[in-house]
Amino acid sequence: QVQLVQSGAEVKKPGSSVKVSCKASGGTFSSYAISWVRQAPGQGLEWMGGIIPIFGTANYAQKFQGRVTITADESTSTAYMELSSLRSEDTAVYYCAKASGEMATIGAFDIWGQGTMVTVSS
Amino acid sequence: DIQMTQSPSSLSASVGDRVTITCQASQDISNYLNWYQQKPGKAPKLLIYDASNLETGVPSRFSGSGSGTDFTFTISSLQPEDIATYYCQQYDNLPPTFGQGTKLEIK
Repeated sequence: QVQLVQSGAEVKKPGSSVKVSCKASGGTFSSYAISWVRQAPGQGLEWMGGIIPIFGTANYAQKFQGRVTITADESTSTAYMELSSLRSEDTAVYYCAKASGEMATIGAFDIWGQGTMVTVSS
Repeated sequence: DIQMTQSPSSLSASVGDRVTITCQASQDISNYLNWYQQKPGKAPKLLIYDASNLETGVPSRFSGSGSGTDFTFTISSLQPEDIATYYCQQYDNLPPTFGQGTKLEIK
């Protein structure tokens, strides 16, 4: 059973960038899409983008286009999400989540990381 | 983007009650609809995929139905551990989108 373990909490200044990692263990990594989903305090779930590591090309939600970069390192079974030009509204828990279908960009998210709290504050 | 509208936004029920949550898509999404449970401070957990399929290990009191634009999620007999927020999610089109959530409380 695949497990996803994310990097720790971050506190960032407005205008800076943050890079969150998501390391997979216990199963196949390269052929299953990893998505990033965020949740602002007390709010719902918002998909930011995703990547199928074996293909290496990411898809992004239009809202985040130009500000987010999702990458994957097959050698370490780790996916990354970098968000730039941070503002206070980016304060949220950021989750990585694995798609259930092999080679499918999206689908059901059957495995989730534990979440990484990113706080943007001056 | 496809809009997902859940109702109600909050719900109070008693242990043993039958609980129903609905989710409406802004356009036809066939059966590309999933349901998640999220407990406070935890990541979401997949319960139902493709509108009506129970994820492995999920209790059979949870069920889902529907296709097209209208979907239903049901808990047949509410248990205390079911207290959580529930979300629907479509994946017919990019970007996948979630409903706003239904917060379920015990009466």
